[in-house]
Amino acid sequence: AQKITQTQPGMFVQEKEAVTLDCTYDTSDPSYGLFWYKQPSSGEMIFLIYQGSYDQQNATEGRYSLNFQKARKSANLVISASQLGDSAMYFCAMREVFNDYKLSFGAGTTVTVRA
Amino acid sequence: DAGVIQSPRHEVTEMGQEVTLRCKPISGHDYLFWYRQTMMRGLELLIYFNNNVPIDDSGMPEDRFSAKMPNASFSTLKIQPSEPRDSAVYFCASSPRTGGIQYFGAGTRLSVL
Repeated sequence: AQKITQTQPGMFVQEKEAVTLDCTYDTSDPSYGLFWYKQPSSGEMIFLIYQGSYDQQNATEGRYSLNFQKARKSANLVISASQLGDSAMYFCAMREVFNDYKLSFGAGTTVTVRA
Repeated sequence: DAGVIQSPRHEVTEMGQEVTLRCKPISGHDYLFWYRQTMMRGLELLIYFNNNVPIDDSGMPEDRFSAKMPNASFSTLKIQPSEPRDSAVYFCASSPRTGGIQYFGAGTRLSVL
C-alpha cells in the first residue's frame, strides 16, 4: 500500500500568489514524522519543513507552512508569496518508528511559477 | 558548514564497467543513507549505516551493488558490473540521529550505456 500519496503531478501558480501542495499518508504508527523536500531542476534535494505527529502547532519555516490535519492524515505544504525560484519538484515524505525511521517518499508534485 | 558532498556529479560508463560513487556526510552525523531516484520508481532507499555499520541493506537491488563506510567521513556505493538499467540519480544523505532530518547531497547522475 502506498504510504505517501501526492495526487497533483503538476501545478501552475502565479508569482506572488500562494500555492498548496497536497499530501496524504497512511500509517498505524502513533509516532511518525512528516517532511517536505524541494528538488529544483539542478537536481539536489533540499529539506524544507518537518512536522512531528505529536506536535500541537503546524510547522512554519519562512514562506513555508505545513497544514497538518492528523485525523484526515494529511500534511499539505503551503508556499506563500510564490517566487520564480520556487519552480521545482516537491516531495512529501514520512518516517515511522515501525519502519525503523526510514523515509517513505511520495511521487512528487511539480510546481511552475509564472511571472 | 559543508553539506553532504557527493562525487562525481555525473558519471557515464559502459555496460560491464565498475562504478564507484562517493559520499562525505555532514560532520557529526551518525546516519548515512544511499538512495536511488528513477522516473519509474521514484526515490528508493538502498542501504543505511549507523556509526559506520550497515543496518539495513534490504533495498539493494542485487549482488552487483555493494556499499561500505570505512570511517565516519566517507562512504562508497559500488556497482560491479554496471548495467543500463542502473542508470539513475544516486543520492547520499546524512542525519544526526535516529529519525532526524536527512540532509541530501547534490546527487550523482549515472548513465550506463
